[in-house]
Amino acid sequence: DTGVSQDPRHKITKRGQNVTFRCDPISEHNRLYWYRQTLGQGPEFLTYFQNEAQLEKSRLLSDRFSAERPKGSFSTLEIQRTEQGDSAMYLCASSPSGTAGRNEKLFFGSGTQLSVL
Amino acid sequence: ILNVEQSPQSLHVQEGDSTNFTCSFPSSNFYALHWYRWETAKSPEALFVMTLNGDEKKKGRISATLNTKEGYSYLYIKGSQPEDSATYLCAFRGYGGATNKLIFGTGTLLAVQP
Repeated sequence: DTGVSQDPRHKITKRGQNVTFRCDPISEHNRLYWYRQTLGQGPEFLTYFQNEAQLEKSRLLSDRFSAERPKGSFSTLEIQRTEQGDSAMYLCASSPSGTAGRNEKLFFGSGTQLSVL
Repeated sequence: ILNVEQSPQSLHVQEGDSTNFTCSFPSSNFYALHWYRWETAKSPEALFVMTLNGDEKKKGRISATLNTKEGYSYLYIKGSQPEDSATYLCAFRGYGGATNKLIFGTGTLLAVQP
């Protein structure tokens, strides 16, 4: 399968614990995005990387959240001191440089479902 | 605050029925409008990326139209099949610092009964 891969698919944790999710984009896609979907809402933008550079970060992303893409390939999203409000589906998406601009199409992974007890 | 609204919230139809959904978005600073289909336990899949006022796109039995001046897009499914059951999301991209992100609606959940 050459699609966007996310790991784990599900994560249950206790409040106050740290969690880390991984996203492997489609090979050679230089842009990578993280979105979060809570119950009853559409996905919300969290952050965006072009290669290894984090170019934009939503105000939704508190200082407990950090994302990295160290070599411009896979990315990790870490949440420290999780809270019940962090329970959500965390989606990763990537897009190739060839579709820059208005016609850019995002390829999504199937997400990591986080439950904070 | 940029608001993207979708209606209806959910829809139950019989196999063979044709159906349509609406996506409303800001009519200013339009950059692009996306439609995604998201089946349970799978990844959201891009259906269309629409960029020009008056755009009409088609993929099999699914088609979409775009009116950027009034800020709406319609998605049509002709002859619905059970495999069309999914959540259909639209997402807006605007100019002015928002071009890197999609603003999603809450989706329309379609259930097609055999």
